[in-house]
Amino acid sequence: QVQMQESGPGLVKPSETLSLTCSVSGGSINGYYWSWIRQPPGKGLEWIGYIYYSGSTNYSPSLKSRVTISLDTSKDQVSLKVNSVTAADTAVYFCARHSSTWVLDYWGQGTLVTVSS
Amino acid sequence: DIVMTQSPDSLAVSLGERATINCKSSQSVLFSSNNRHYLAWYQQKLGQPPKLLIYWASTRESGVPDRFSGSGSGTDFTLTISSLQAEDVAVYYCHQYYSIPITFGQGTRLEIK
Repeated sequence: QVQMQESGPGLVKPSETLSLTCSVSGGSINGYYWSWIRQPPGKGLEWIGYIYYSGSTNYSPSLKSRVTISLDTSKDQVSLKVNSVTAADTAVYFCARHSSTWVLDYWGQGTLVTVSS
Repeated sequence: DIVMTQSPDSLAVSLGERATINCKSSQSVLFSSNNRHYLAWYQQKLGQPPKLLIYWASTRESGVPDRFSGSGSGTDFTLTISSLQAEDVAVYYCHQYYSIPITFGQGTRLEIK
């Protein structure tokens, strides 16, 4: 069974860059699309963007200017960077896999990132 | 962007009773080439990631109890729990994966009455 684990700093200062890694186990990242989704505390889900194993990407228009998603196929890892963060970027960040039917079928446990000085 | 609107925002149902959650999309999520609605339902329990329950509007994910069912077409969809169990207490989200940006409903909190 595919499992994903997000990792990275839990605290980031305003104006700095948030960097997270999603490590995939029990399967390969090859052949699939991978998305990042975030959830502010007590709020709903917001899609950030996706990457295909070939490296092609697509981002939410609301975040496109500040987000970069990349991958390392040799390590089965997907990464997220968000530049110039503010308190509004405080959220639990999830990575998730798109199945062959395109629906998000497997999700990581998520990691809380707090933006604060 | 396709806006997903759920109703109600919260719902309290007695154990063993039926729970119904509605979701309306601001435009069609029907992919004409395969006649599939790109609409899914997720269950999120406190401190956990969302769990896929239903995709293509009415296809139950493997391992999901058959008391969960999805229905609807066009822009109106419904998640039904036929006989509420204590472990069904959660927030439920509808989700369209028809077009980018992918979007979610605001969530419906389901509690026991």
